[in-house]
Amino acid sequence: QVQLQEAGPGLVKPSETLSLTCTVSGASISAYYWNWLRQTPGKGLEWIGYVYYTGGTAYNSPLKSRVTISLDMSKSQFSLRLSSVTAADTGMYYCAAEAPGAGQFDLWGRGTLATVSS
Amino acid sequence: EIVLTQTPPSSPVTLGQPASISCRSSQSLVHRNGNTYLSWLQQRPGQPPRLLIHKISNRFSGVPDRFSGSGAGTDFTLMISRVEAEDVGVYYCMQASQFPYTFGQGTKLEIK
Repeated sequence: QVQLQEAGPGLVKPSETLSLTCTVSGASISAYYWNWLRQTPGKGLEWIGYVYYTGGTAYNSPLKSRVTISLDMSKSQFSLRLSSVTAADTGMYYCAAEAPGAGQFDLWGRGTLATVSS
Repeated sequence: EIVLTQTPPSSPVTLGQPASISCRSSQSLVHRNGNTYLSWLQQRPGQPPRLLIHKISNRFSGVPDRFSGSGAGTDFTLMISRVEAEDVGVYYCMQASQFPYTFGQGTKLEIK
């Protein structure tokens, strides 16, 4: 059974960097595009970007200058780094899997809450 | 960016009665490969979103057959033939035909 599990600090100070990891179990890292999404009071559900096992990435343009998504195949993990955070970045962050060419998120993690506050 | 507009924002429904949610796109969702990457997700209270329907009308594994999707181009509909108590939550349409992937603002399904 495929499972995704997010982890990361629940509280981040303004202007600092939010770092989250998603651990994948029960699936080959090469089988999916590995995505990060978030759900915020201001914008609802928002796609952040993805990484593929080839190292290829795609990001949502408004966030692109602040986002890095990377993959650690040895740990079956992928990570999100979001720099220069503000209160508008507060929300639930989800990792999700998309089979190549499918255009759908088959699998979701349970989500982790990130709060930006001093 | 493609904007998806869902109506209604909320839908009070009697148990056993049908429900319908509309999703309208700001531009055609037909991909250059001929597929239309419009999906529907359900988010129950306190849970992550869950895929119900993909590519307009294909039910995902384990989804009850009371859920169905239809539409083409820019207009799409999610139908629930007979609403059950476990269907309470927020429903989202999502497009993956063009970057960035985008979501509708959600429709809250509640029981009358």
